[in-house]
Amino acid sequence: AQKITQTQPGMFVQEKEAVTLDCTYDTSDPSYGLFWYKQPSSGEMIFLIYQGSYDQQNATEGRYSLNFQKARKSANLVISASQLGDSAMYFCAMREGRDSGTALIFGKGTTLSVSS
Amino acid sequence: DSGVTQTPKHLITATGQRVTLRCSPRSGDLSVYWYQQSLDQGLQFLIQYYNGEERAKGNILERFSAQQFPDLHSELNLSSLELGDSALYFCASSTGGGLITDTQYFGPGTRLTVL
Repeated sequence: AQKITQTQPGMFVQEKEAVTLDCTYDTSDPSYGLFWYKQPSSGEMIFLIYQGSYDQQNATEGRYSLNFQKARKSANLVISASQLGDSAMYFCAMREGRDSGTALIFGKGTTLSVSS
Repeated sequence: DSGVTQTPKHLITATGQRVTLRCSPRSGDLSVYWYQQSLDQGLQFLIQYYNGEERAKGNILERFSAQQFPDLHSELNLSSLELGDSALYFCASSTGGGLITDTQYFGPGTRLTVL
């Protein structure tokens, strides 16, 4: 079974609009972390935002926020006021367990295209 | 710039050959992770080292091996290369301090093309 599911292969948005990228996860571990990364066409992976399973508040980092719904096992990324530079592939990832020795499990990604 | 460096940026080689990819983690990070990104498999975890010791193993082929040196840089060795090994190989590093918040920062990747 897929541990991380990103159901939107592609999303299109206009500049200055907000966009939500979906991510659902599957784990039986009560302790886990959820991460979002951005991969522009140049290829590098850029860390955007983190949400811990015990965090009471939704994470925010500048224009990025995470809509964390634990009961639904979803961790959607919200980008406010989209910019052309936001065009990229976005990956949701999870790390399970208290031991940080476990690796990240990635979803298949969502391609975001921002137009002017 | 994540602070993680990888060399080389691009590598073109032939089937059957052996290559070495190199990674230097961010200053202060003790953990190094290797990932492979291909079109068909997506991003797959290969192996993790923590302070010189192998910590976790993922979908790493027997033809692949890695190590982490005392100065904490790491090398991924790929041998008997096949066409299907063509991919983007990422190194990531983290403090590895055991906290759930331990964030992995990725290097720019090495794009391997096997002809």
